[in-house]
Amino acid sequence: GNSVTQMEGPVTLSEEAFLTINCTYTATGYPSLFWYVQYPGEGLQLLLKATKADDKGSNKGFEATYRKETTSFHLEKGSVQVSDSAVYFCALSARRNTPLVFGKGTRLSVIA
Amino acid sequence: EAQVTQNPRYLITVTGKKLTVTCSQNMNHEYMSWYRQDPGLGLRQIYYSMNVEVTDKGDVPEGYKVSRKEKRNFPLILESPSPNQTSLYFCASSTGDRLEEKLFFGSGTQLSVL
Repeated sequence: GNSVTQMEGPVTLSEEAFLTINCTYTATGYPSLFWYVQYPGEGLQLLLKATKADDKGSNKGFEATYRKETTSFHLEKGSVQVSDSAVYFCALSARRNTPLVFGKGTRLSVIA
Repeated sequence: EAQVTQNPRYLITVTGKKLTVTCSQNMNHEYMSWYRQDPGLGLRQIYYSMNVEVTDKGDVPEGYKVSRKEKRNFPLILESPSPNQTSLYFCASSTGDRLEEKLFFGSGTQLSVL
């Protein structure tokens, strides 16, 4: 079946450090890929997405590139801030009218 | 403002006492879903609905019921809650008919079953 595997957290970084959160997927066909972010006490919200191979999604300084050859969609940011502290979820949508499949989430803590 | 509204935000109850968590969206979305979030397990889908009067089981439907009588509302019902249903619950919605459509989430309901 379809699945998403994320690196386990928590990840703790100092402000201005480089961030990578790994995400790999298993899916039939050509899924769309997403990163969602959950700030403390809130629901999830879409951070970025990519709908086909080699697409790069970007938002708020975060980027992720859809790599079909490695079935990956790693999240990166060049310089994290304390306000980026949150839980990050990788997700895929494999077929129309089927539910999103989420990874287990990676907690990021950024310290000043 | 486009939003998904869940109520209540916090709920403490006792084993066996029926409860309902309400969910409403104002975006005319066809697709609605319920998730529970538990430490170390991430988000797990309970039930989803592709449209009015259409509901399907997700990964962890046992002990839950849902209904979709109107497009905007998708209540989650726990007929006889048990302590293992203590969790953080999220409702979400989207148009559902395109692979790249994003999910809109509510703010969550923290349920404790004693």
